[in-house]
Amino acid sequence: AQSVTQPDIHITVSEGASLELRCNYSYGATPYLFWYVQSPGQGLQLLLKYFSGDTLVQGIKGFEAEFKRSQSSFNLRKPSVHWSDAAEYFCAVGAKAGNNRKLIWGLGTSLAVNP
Amino acid sequence: DSGVTQTPKHLITATGQRVTLRCSPRSGDLSVYWYQQSLDQGLQFLIQYYNGEERAKGNILERFSAQQFPDLHSELNLSSLELGDSALYFCASSVLGDSYNEQFFGPGTRLTVL
Repeated sequence: AQSVTQPDIHITVSEGASLELRCNYSYGATPYLFWYVQSPGQGLQLLLKYFSGDTLVQGIKGFEAEFKRSQSSFNLRKPSVHWSDAAEYFCAVGAKAGNNRKLIWGLGTSLAVNP
Repeated sequence: DSGVTQTPKHLITATGQRVTLRCSPRSGDLSVYWYQQSLDQGLQFLIQYYNGEERAKGNILERFSAQQFPDLHSELNLSSLELGDSALYFCASSVLGDSYNEQFFGPGTRLTVL
């Protein structure tokens, strides 16, 4: 069965530092992968997604993610973190739901940013 | 603001009761998704409707049901509530019926069962 693991429950970085959030997936075929962000008190917002092609995907808010099939990973990165990036980050993988599709979600990584 | 609205924002009720959560999708979106978010299980997909019809089903309990009305708003009904049903319930919408399309999430309804 498909699954997503986000190994880091909580990460703290200093403003201006680089960031990498880890995501590992379990899926038999070529996965469809997503990163969403949940700001405090808000719903989730799509940062980026990978379906095929270039393994380095650019998203909104200066984020990027790299798909590595050999490592079953889809890590999210940002070169310089801003205080407004403090939020909960969710990785998801696409999966079958009967004749249709659904998303399987990781448990999330909470990001705190120190001034 | 995603354009998805959910009411109420907070709901406190007792075990054994029944509640209804309401969601209005973004203008033009035909799909509505319901999710349950809890600390121990994370974000769980419950069910999806597309243009009034059930499209996909996830980990939705038999005590829970949902529907999408002709004006495309959706309601999630939770009955015989248990303490473990306390969670944040999100509604999301997308333009088309494929869940791989970008989903726009509402702010959620926080349900507390006492």
